[in-house]
Amino acid sequence: AQSVAQPEDQVNVAEGNPLTVKCTYSVSGNPYLFWYVQYPNRGLQFLLKYITGDNLVKGSYGFEAEFNKSQTSFHLKKPSALVSDSALYFCAVRGDTGGFKTIFGAGTRLFVKA
Amino acid sequence: DSGVTQTPKHLITATGQRVTLRCSPRSGDLSVYWYQQSLDQGLQFLIQYYNGEERAKGNILERFSAQQFPDLHSELNLSSLELGDSALYFCASSVKGEKLFFGSGTQLSVL
Repeated sequence: AQSVAQPEDQVNVAEGNPLTVKCTYSVSGNPYLFWYVQYPNRGLQFLLKYITGDNLVKGSYGFEAEFNKSQTSFHLKKPSALVSDSALYFCAVRGDTGGFKTIFGAGTRLFVKA
Repeated sequence: DSGVTQTPKHLITATGQRVTLRCSPRSGDLSVYWYQQSLDQGLQFLIQYYNGEERAKGNILERFSAQQFPDLHSELNLSSLELGDSALYFCASSVKGEKLFFGSGTQLSVL
């Protein structure tokens, strides 16, 4: 069965500092991994994905994520946080077989303080 | 704007009632997904359709059902509503089950 764990309910970081939002996953077969962001009263927006290739993937708004197969992790990172990055971040996983259902983690709320 | 349209945006109803949520996917997207977002359970996958056929099922209650029509729009039917069904219901669409495009959701309040 697929599962995603986001161990932190909340991450606090000062503006200008680097940020990391953690994600680990479990899936049969090769993983398709995603990060999405949700702003208040909005639907989720795609940030980036890993399917194959380079373990470091770059996405929207300066975010990047590192795929680590041995640790089954896909942590989201940004070198310098902005106050406007404050939002709810979801990690998601999909297997490469079967019905292609995408399972989301519980979400991590990011607070960037000025 | 994601291109995915959900109606209505808000729905207030009473326990025991039945409601229908509607979703129009992005033009060209064959897959439609339904998710339920609540404070205590996060974002739960309910069901996925691909070109009119059910493709995957998640934590969907027997009181809930869905379908995808020939024009690819989808409806989620919730019946015998309970207070605990109050949540934000999202529809998403995709081409190949990779990047999902989400609608803005339907906020359901069961009183």
